[in-house]
Amino acid sequence: EPEVTQTPSHQVTQMGQEVILRCVPISNHLYFYWYRQILGQKVEFLVSFYNNEISEKSEIFDDQFSVERPDGSNFTLKIRSTKLEDSAMYFCASSEAGAGSTGNTIYFGEGSWLTVV
Amino acid sequence: AQKITQTQPGMFVQEKEAVTLDCTYDTSDPSYGLFWYKQPSSGEMIFLIYQGSYDQQNATEGRYSLNFQKARKSANLVISASQLGDSAMYFCAMREAMDSNYQLIWGAGTKLIIKP
Repeated sequence: EPEVTQTPSHQVTQMGQEVILRCVPISNHLYFYWYRQILGQKVEFLVSFYNNEISEKSEIFDDQFSVERPDGSNFTLKIRSTKLEDSAMYFCASSEAGAGSTGNTIYFGEGSWLTVV
Repeated sequence: AQKITQTQPGMFVQEKEAVTLDCTYDTSDPSYGLFWYKQPSSGEMIFLIYQGSYDQQNATEGRYSLNFQKARKSANLVISASQLGDSAMYFCAMREAMDSNYQLIWGAGTKLIIKP
């Protein structure tokens, strides 16, 4: 079964360092997302991406964050200068379409744990 | 206002019993989708089941079924014959058609523990 894959599974970084989280969405999917989940809290939307540009971003997704689809398969989240409060599980997700019952399912990767020290 | 409400922060259930996890939602969009995800202690997010607002039948996937009561705006997840491996956090989420980017709106989750 096709799946969303994320690397690394866990990263520890010093405060102020740049981090890049990588994702390979499901190949025929057109919509891509990043979510994050601080330990013990709700899953929070960060950004959605469609047609090679950001469709929507949340208040969390400030200038420290950026996303890119550098080639036909990868989708990356960059955090320019990490803060302690960026420590969280970051989930990449993708969906085939934005409408229609069969295309609505959003599939998640296994997540990347980011620990900022 | 909360768009997705999961009123049970935690539940203990005996193995082999059926479990109902509650989810109520709030939307004015006539077209929406409701999802349930399972998050085991490993942290990954696993899709379980989907219900579209226009679907006539309640969704079922193996041991999972969704008790969709549209007028009451509830979408409870039912797990039949629970197993120890069902112990996890369970999240209800919604996607509204009016949101052109179709992001998921999440509930706070229910921690389910299955007792042997």
